[in-house]
Amino acid sequence: DVKVTQSSRYLVKRTGEKVFLECVQDMDHENMFWYRQDPGLGLRLIYFSYDVKMKEKGDIPEGYSVSREKKERFSLILESASTNQTSMYLCASSSPADQTFSYNSPLHFGNGTRLTVT
Amino acid sequence: DAKTTQPNSMESNEEEPVHLPCNHSTISGTDYIHWYRQLPSQGPEYVIHGLTSNVNNRMASLAIAEDRKSSTLILHRATLRDAAVYYCILRNPGTASKLTFGTGTRLQVTL
Repeated sequence: DVKVTQSSRYLVKRTGEKVFLECVQDMDHENMFWYRQDPGLGLRLIYFSYDVKMKEKGDIPEGYSVSREKKERFSLILESASTNQTSMYLCASSSPADQTFSYNSPLHFGNGTRLTVT
Repeated sequence: DAKTTQPNSMESNEEEPVHLPCNHSTISGTDYIHWYRQLPSQGPEYVIHGLTSNVNNRMASLAIAEDRKSSTLILHRATLRDAAVYYCILRNPGTASKLTFGTGTRLQVTL
């Protein structure tokens, strides 16, 4: 089974701190994603990466950056944490598999990091 | 982007079938219909997907209307472990990597 591991289950940080959220997958997947989940808003895509050192903005990239130096690891960075970034953060990965149908490859999610910024 | 509409919540009795509806009236010809579910305290997990024909797998069945403007996820015998939020999502080659999750349907299963 695919395993997507997020380094922390719970995290509490102070306003202005630089925050790193780490995600590792063990299935050699090319695609990796960061979402945040807030009540009433569903999951919203922050950034995604389809290869090492490649990244694309999602729907809400403001205030975030990402790093993908190795295929298995995708980091989300909050340069200066703010209280409105308090949220559940979910990492996911997928494989392009057959290039024709890659857009149907399932996403495999980690169990999330609940970040509180005070 | 084509959007989906789902009821906020549904209830079911254990061991009875559950039909979870999804409307996607602006679906395009290249959109696949995907379903995910999110159990409490976990990330979402893939359930099933289809294009035009009905689909079955070990978790569920997907029934797609002939005009593709709606679909129904069918859990044949709900168990307490099926209590989750179910998301209906459209995917196409143009937005392949950008899944848009709405707020889904919260399914409660009672004894």
